[in-house]
Amino acid sequence: TQLLEQSPQFLSIQEGENLTVYCNSSSVFSSLQWYRQEPGEGPVLLVTVVTGGEVKKLKRLTFQFGDARKDSSLHITAAQPGDTGLYLCAGAPAFGNEKLTFGTGTRLTIIP
Amino acid sequence: ETGVTQSPTHLIKTRGQQVTLRCSSQSGHNTVSWYQQALGQGPQFIFQYYREEENGRGNFPPRFSGLQFPNYSSELNVNALELDDSALYLCASREGGRAYGYTFGSGTRLTVV
Repeated sequence: TQLLEQSPQFLSIQEGENLTVYCNSSSVFSSLQWYRQEPGEGPVLLVTVVTGGEVKKLKRLTFQFGDARKDSSLHITAAQPGDTGLYLCAGAPAFGNEKLTFGTGTRLTIIP
Repeated sequence: ETGVTQSPTHLIKTRGQQVTLRCSSQSGHNTVSWYQQALGQGPQFIFQYYREEENGRGNFPPRFSGLQFPNYSSELNVNALELDDSALYLCASREGGRAYGYTFGSGTRLTVV
């Protein structure tokens, strides 16, 4: 069974601070996706990383895929209240049964 | 049509009943998957369909079944509802292969009493 563990589970920081969320597994994934979910809504795709060591930037958000394609990180620079939400990583298996595995989630609160 | 639309948005059923949840995906999105999300947790994969055939299944009992139709719509059926089936059910679709991300609907909130 593939498991994705996210840390921290909860994070509350002041506006303007930087933060990093981690997504770790012992399994290899063909791709790693990051989503943000607001209350009462479905997850919204932020980015997909495919190549080991890949780094993608989305404005103040930087995503990195581990060299071995087992882990990923999300770094937010100068956090803003609009960044508040539940951040989920999700891994697609390298082969076999199509089954997107979601992490446990990080609930981020940015305090104005 | 853009986006993924799910219906109904909310539903209350009694233990032992059967329920059908519906999803309409974007044109061209041949892959659709369904997830169960309990409060405070990440979504759990139920199953996935590609061009009307199931090509992946999570750890859910056979009373969870699905169908995908040629018009990019799909449905999730749950028989013999249990209290623990109360959750947000999410439908998601994608256009390409495993490296592509999914577009999610807003979900159906199912409450079993």
